[in-house]
Amino acid sequence: AQRVTQPEKLLSVFKGAPVELKCNYSYSGSPELFWYVQYSRQRLQLLLRHISRESIKGFTADLNKGETSFHLKKPFAQEEDSAMYYCALIPDSGYALNFGKGTSLLVTP
Amino acid sequence: DAGVIQSPRHEVTEMGQEVTLRCKPISGHDYLFWYRQTMMRGLELLIYFNNNVPIDDSGMPEDRFSAKMPNASFSTLKIQPSEPRDSAVYFCASSFGTANYEQYFGPGTRLTVT
Repeated sequence: AQRVTQPEKLLSVFKGAPVELKCNYSYSGSPELFWYVQYSRQRLQLLLRHISRESIKGFTADLNKGETSFHLKKPFAQEEDSAMYYCALIPDSGYALNFGKGTSLLVTP
Repeated sequence: DAGVIQSPRHEVTEMGQEVTLRCKPISGHDYLFWYRQTMMRGLELLIYFNNNVPIDDSGMPEDRFSAKMPNASFSTLKIQPSEPRDSAVYFCASSFGTANYEQYFGPGTRLTVT
């Protein structure tokens, strides 16, 4: 069975500081990895997916198959980045998201 | 486009009552997902449909839960009888195509069973 672990429930950083939200997964196949974000009073929405190799709102995430990790990074955090971030996995045999428990990011001025 | 629509947004009911949650997916999407969010378990899949057919219902907690998708634009999640441990936020999401495609989430229904 697949499992997604986000070790930090809460991460607090100062504006302008680098931020890294950790995500580790356990799955023996070739999963699709995603980061979803939920801003205050907004819907859960896709931030980025590993297959696109994109940078969204300054965030990037690299899939490390050796370490089975998909950490989310941003070099300079902004106050508007404060939100709940979920790492998620779709196994190569399915279509539904398996979520981590989420990390609440708080960026303070 | 209003996106995925869920109703009601909030539901408070007494233990033993029947609860029906509703979802309208984005037009043209062929996958529909029901997720549940609790403090203890986080976000977990309950069931998903492809072209109105249930594909995986292994996440449905027990027989008290049932879900239907009578047509491409409507799905229901029913709990009968409801119990306090069913209190959670229930999300509906839809997508088009395979795993590479984004899932669009509704605003959720916050269910409280007293």
